[in-house]
Amino acid sequence: QSVLTQPPSVSGAPGQRVTISCTGSSSNIGAGYDVHWYQQLPGTAPKPLIYGNSNRPSGVPDRFSGSKSGTSASLAITGLQAEDEADYYCQSYDSSLSGYVFGTGTKVTVL
Amino acid sequence: EVQLVESGGGLVKPGGSLRLSCAASGFTFSNTWMNWVRQAPGKGLEWVGRIKSKLDGGTRDHAAPVKGRFTISRDDSKDTLYLQMNSLKTGDTAVYYCTTVRPSGVIDSWGQGTLVTVSS
Repeated sequence: QSVLTQPPSVSGAPGQRVTISCTGSSSNIGAGYDVHWYQQLPGTAPKPLIYGNSNRPSGVPDRFSGSKSGTSASLAITGLQAEDEADYYCQSYDSSLSGYVFGTGTKVTVL
Repeated sequence: EVQLVESGGGLVKPGGSLRLSCAASGFTFSNTWMNWVRQAPGKGLEWVGRIKSKLDGGTRDHAAPVKGRFTISRDDSKDTLYLQMNSLKTGDTAVYYCTTVRPSGVIDSWGQGTLVTVSS
């Protein structure tokens, strides 16, 4: 059972901006643990998209950005492109569970 | 280039056992923390367990749903990560991914995954 909550789906037209929220609690995001984001294209393994709340690995376009505040985090995609259609997951550490936790996942659809 | 290649998946009956392996290359395995993450068909990602490097104590942690049934281990002489799975349940059916994980928690490399199906 995921302890980080994301919207099941978001959609937008090409070129638009979409945001995905990730809501946690005082034992994970609110406790100061970093939030990381992953993109999973259909039929493939996830790949890191944002690490340490707002940092992009090399090769990730600057259309992707992350932020964190309080017990929540968010991923923004600007200039939406067809290739951005994928599932997106947030991830952090939970001190009550003594382990890593993932978000429920969000499917991004490009209209 | 980092490569993680899982093996050992397959069909097993409820109550059975299976051992997954993950052959690592392209990085210093012994210095790296490692994870198993699983994904049930059509579902989201679920962390299974982590093992730290021996330099950092070699500590193992497992998620609550698998604690007492699954054991993560490593053989640094073979650059290989393992997941011993006992008392398997139908709910353990999933693709199991081997990953590297940094102390910050970011999972920066993933294998291609191996499918475990628990069914009678």
